[in-house]
Amino acid sequence: AQKVTQAQTEISVVEKEDVTLDCVYETRDTTYYLFWYKQPPSGELVFLIRRNSFDEQNEISGRYSWNFQKSTSSFNFTITASQVVDSAVYFCALSEAMDSSYKLIFGSGTRLLVRP
Amino acid sequence: NAGVTQTPKFRVLKTGQSMTLLCAQDMNHEYMYWYRQDPGMGLRLIHYSVGEGTTAKGEVPDGYNVSRLKKQNFLLGLESAAPSQTSVYFCASTPWGQYYEQYFGPGTRLTVT
Repeated sequence: AQKVTQAQTEISVVEKEDVTLDCVYETRDTTYYLFWYKQPPSGELVFLIRRNSFDEQNEISGRYSWNFQKSTSSFNFTITASQVVDSAVYFCALSEAMDSSYKLIFGSGTRLLVRP
Repeated sequence: NAGVTQTPKFRVLKTGQSMTLLCAQDMNHEYMYWYRQDPGMGLRLIHYSVGEGTTAKGEVPDGYNVSRLKKQNFLLGLESAAPSQTSVYFCASTPWGQYYEQYFGPGTRLTVT
């Protein structure tokens, strides 16, 4: 069955520390997409990145970077020089094809607290 | 461009009452979804629609019904609310095609007492 595991329930760091959020997935699909969403305290879901299963290049966007390793079924997310505004719940999600559409299988989320 | 909007933002229901949650999107997206989020869990799919007039069950459909009479709107109904339906409900939409990001609404916090 499709599954996403975010083993870190909560992480607390001091501002300016680097932090890595782990995501491990299981899928039977040969083509799939992985996503990261951020949920700040205000509650909305903010899209961060989408990565397809054929592209294993790491991606960097400012202080954010993502490491996709198909061999270990992982899609980890690193925040460099964390800031208080990074405090949020972060969800990793996996696409599952259905009909002509797809649904997202979400992990249980990692709550990140960045302390000043 | 408002994106995805949800009405209402908050609601308190008594057990057995009914209500409808409205989701509207102005991006001309084909696909729309209803998810629920419970504490300590990620989002789970309730129902979805691949186009106007179509609906289908997701992972946790029991106790809910949906309708998509217009392309831009996706309604989620609770016929007889139960405390187990206390949750935050998110609507999402995405354009036709493969695996674009899903755009989420701001959520509706529902409490059933």
